[in-house]
Amino acid sequence: GAVVSQHPSRVICKSGTSVKIECRSLDFQATTMFWYRQFPKKSLMLMATSNEGSKATYEQGVEKDKFLINHASLTLSTLTVTSAHPEDSSFYICSAYSLVANYGYTFGSGTRLTVV
Amino acid sequence: QQQVKQSPQSLIVQKGGISIINCAYENTAFDYFPWYQQFPGKGPALLIAIRPDVSEKKEGRFTISFNKSAKQFSLHIMDSQPGDSATYFCAASIRADGLTFGKGTHLIIQP
Repeated sequence: GAVVSQHPSRVICKSGTSVKIECRSLDFQATTMFWYRQFPKKSLMLMATSNEGSKATYEQGVEKDKFLINHASLTLSTLTVTSAHPEDSSFYICSAYSLVANYGYTFGSGTRLTVV
Repeated sequence: QQQVKQSPQSLIVQKGGISIINCAYENTAFDYFPWYQQFPGKGPALLIAIRPDVSEKKEGRFTISFNKSAKQFSLHIMDSQPGDSATYFCAASIRADGLTFGKGTHLIIQP
């Protein structure tokens, strides 16, 4: 089956520093990858959509200069939270999409970011 | 504007009972309707999904019922078990444009 690996699972960083989160599709090529943010006991909110080799498309209200997305290959997308602040603390989840073998959307295990 | 409305927000069911969660959508262009299960600190895992050309889909103890005219779909969990206690999300998408999630249902199965 489709597997998406997300690292790190937890990260604590100081205010003002940057943090990179990786999302890899292990056994399939993802035509599109998505990044979501989830607050405690809340639903997932789509932040941005990325396609390999092109610029990411950000949802309304998401700062593209703060949340940098790079989709370097069909199996790897990264989210970099730049100049992190405590309000950026959240659970970030990636998802990879592929029509091959009808995988649809497969989610990573998430990254708990805490900014202190 | 919330495009996918999910209810109830929380649900308590006795072991062996049927858990029913409902969702309603507004955008008739949606063509994919999955249900996800999420445990604390984990990413959502796909349970079952349906496309609008089918009215019902069953996989093991999980069934999706889909009513296109009413723009509603529901998840039924038969013979609910304590291990089913989790948060459940319905979602909808248009092709590969990303998922729009409902607000989630916190399900507790009492032994």
